[in-house]
Amino acid sequence: DGGITQSPKYLFRKEGQNVTLSCEQNLNHDAMYWYRQDPGQGLRLIYYSQIVNDFQKGDIAEGYSVSREKKESFPLTVTSAQKNPTAFYLCASSAGQGASDTQYFGPGTRLTVL
Amino acid sequence: AQSVTQPDIHITVSEGASLELRCNYSYGATPYLFWYVQSPGQGLQLLLKYFSGDTLVQGIKGFEAEFKRSQSSFNLRKPSVHWSDAAEYFCAVAPWGSQGNLIFGKGTKLSVKP
Repeated sequence: DGGITQSPKYLFRKEGQNVTLSCEQNLNHDAMYWYRQDPGQGLRLIYYSQIVNDFQKGDIAEGYSVSREKKESFPLTVTSAQKNPTAFYLCASSAGQGASDTQYFGPGTRLTVL
Repeated sequence: AQSVTQPDIHITVSEGASLELRCNYSYGATPYLFWYVQSPGQGLQLLLKYFSGDTLVQGIKGFEAEFKRSQSSFNLRKPSVHWSDAAEYFCAVAPWGSQGNLIFGKGTKLSVKP
C-alpha cells in the first residue's frame, strides 16, 4: 500500500539533546512537508522540500533542521536550540509543488521533552 | 494578513442531527480550499477540496462543503452525524500561486452525543 510512514510514534528526549524524526513516503511524490501541531493552534509549517537536495524554511524553522537526500525521505532534526519542542509533528507529501496539489499526511510523531 | 478562521473551537451535536462547521478566510484572491479531519493521535485525512467550478463540493464520509465568495467562507456540512464523526476538523487554504504552503485554521473539535 502506498502511503507515508513516520517513526517513532512516541519519542522522549532530554533537554539539550538533538533528536531526529523519520518520514518516508512511497507515493513517488516530489514535495514533502513538516508541520508542528500544538493543542488549539492548528498546524504550522516548519520546513518544506519541493525537490531532492532542496528545501525551504516555513513559518517556524528556528531550532529545526532537515535534509532531502532521497526523494522518499525527509527527516526532521529537532535541535537543542528549539526552546519548546514538545509537540505533535506531522509529515506530509504532495505530487507536485503547486497550490492545487493535495497534501497527504502521515500518522505523526509525538515528541515529549523530559 | 492572510488568515483562516474557524470560529467554533468545540461543537457538540446529537447523533443523527445535522452539522455545519464554519470556515472563513482572508485573502485577496480565491485560494484553493480544503477540509481535513483528524482522529485523536492520528494524522490528517482529506475530506474534500475546492479549486473552481461548482461551489458545492462533495467529499468522503457523506460530507459536503459550500464555497461562498461573497462571504469568503467554505463551510462544511453533513446532513446526519454518526458517532464515528467525532474528531477534530481543520479548514486549510493554499493561496493561489503559492508553492503548496497550506495555511490552517485552529480546528473545530466535534463531539457527538448518543
